Amino acid sequence: GAVVSQHPSRVICKSGTSVKIECRSLDFQATTMFWYRQFPKQSLMLMATSNEGSKATYEQGVEKDKFLINHASLTLSTLTVTSAHPEDSSFYICSSSGTNQGSNEQFFGPGTRLTVL
Amino acid sequence: GEDVEQSLFLSVREGDSSVINCTYTDSSSTYLYWYKQEPGAGLQLLTYIFSNMDMKQDQRLTVLLNKKDKHLSLRIADTQTGDSAIYFCAESRGGTYKYIFGTGTRLKVLA
Repeated sequence: GAVVSQHPSRVICKSGTSVKIECRSLDFQATTMFWYRQFPKQSLMLMATSNEGSKATYEQGVEKDKFLINHASLTLSTLTVTSAHPEDSSFYICSSSGTNQGSNEQFFGPGTRLTVL
Repeated sequence: GEDVEQSLFLSVREGDSSVINCTYTDSSSTYLYWYKQEPGAGLQLLTYIFSNMDMKQDQRLTVLLNKKDKHLSLRIADTQTGDSAIYFCAESRGGTYKYIFGTGTRLKVLA
């Protein structure tokens, strides 16, 4: 399957700072990328869907100004958590799609664990 | 609603079969997937089934789909300790790549 990377894999920051997480599709052009959030022992919650070159579509309850998503190219999407607070601590996972029209498959990155002190 | 439900825990002995169940609500689902997540890691696609199929087998994995009851199951034959993980079902709808994930089942394999 296609390979998706995330950077960093783990980040610890102070409350009030902003953190940027990168998601890259390494061997295919991803027309659509997704950002998920996962709390401990819980399922993945879709935060937003981003299409290359257009504004992201956010799920209900997700603050657009808090979680800035940029999908400037077919291989890179970024999620910026602005003015992070301890409640933003979570596991953030991205995924990419667009390479296999036959199964609507998403390819997932390894995740980024954010801890806000 | 959009809930996709799974039982929270399953414990089996090594060598036995495991059956993980999933119920979904949207009859327009086109593809249904099973993912495996190990601690602190991303998701690994195990298998998927198209909604017009009843069954799909891939080595130790067998997926059964009952569209009438909106019920999906994953059977793992000869379960090994390396199969211990959280298993998520997911559905995608229509022409969209958007997934709705199940609540996840934590499988523990006892040696």
